[in-house]
Amino acid sequence: KNQVEQSPQSLIILEGKNCTLQCNYTVSPFSNLRWYKQDTGRGPVSLTIMTFSENTKSNGRYTATLDADTKQSSLHITASQLSDSASYICVVTSGTYKYIFGTGTRLKVLA
Amino acid sequence: DAGITQSPRHKVTETGTPVTLRCHQTENHRYMYWYRQDPGHGLRLIHYSYGVKDTDKGEVSDGYSVSRSKTEDFLLTLESATSSQTSVYFCAISDPLAGDTDTQYFGPGTRLTVL
Repeated sequence: KNQVEQSPQSLIILEGKNCTLQCNYTVSPFSNLRWYKQDTGRGPVSLTIMTFSENTKSNGRYTATLDADTKQSSLHITASQLSDSASYICVVTSGTYKYIFGTGTRLKVLA
Repeated sequence: DAGITQSPRHKVTETGTPVTLRCHQTENHRYMYWYRQDPGHGLRLIHYSYGVKDTDKGEVSDGYSVSRSKTEDFLLTLESATSSQTSVYFCAISDPLAGDTDTQYFGPGTRLTVL
């Protein structure tokens, strides 16, 4: 069964600190992996996309990594800001237009 | 929200009544999707459309129907609403010819409460 699991479920950090979110997947066939950010009350917005051959991708303070051998991805947030408080969702695309969503990690950044 | 609007944004209805949610896009994207989002679950696909009048079921399609008579509009209908359909509903669009291949762009969501 295609599955995307994320950890931790929730995380609280202080402003300015770094954090890393994890995503493990069992999806076949694998096309690409995306990280989305979802602010409270809004739809998800794409942060990064990685294909099978890519092992790291950055978007400002967000850096995603992908290990296709172990089927793991991580999202590292550097120097967190209050505006980083959101849910972060890992999504694996399988074949054509089949998207498998993780349940997300809820991040809260405190001042 | 990438030229995607959903209406209504909030709705409270009673069990047994029909409800229609509308998704409208100005991006001319070919694919449109309806998802529901519930605590403890990832986004779950209800129905999707790959062109005008071309639709297919997702993993949680029971109790829902869809229609797409124009490229820009995708309607989701709850034929007889039940309390288990209380959820936040998201519309999404994508298009392989739109540059970033299969990126999905999401609307702002509709919060539906069935009493």
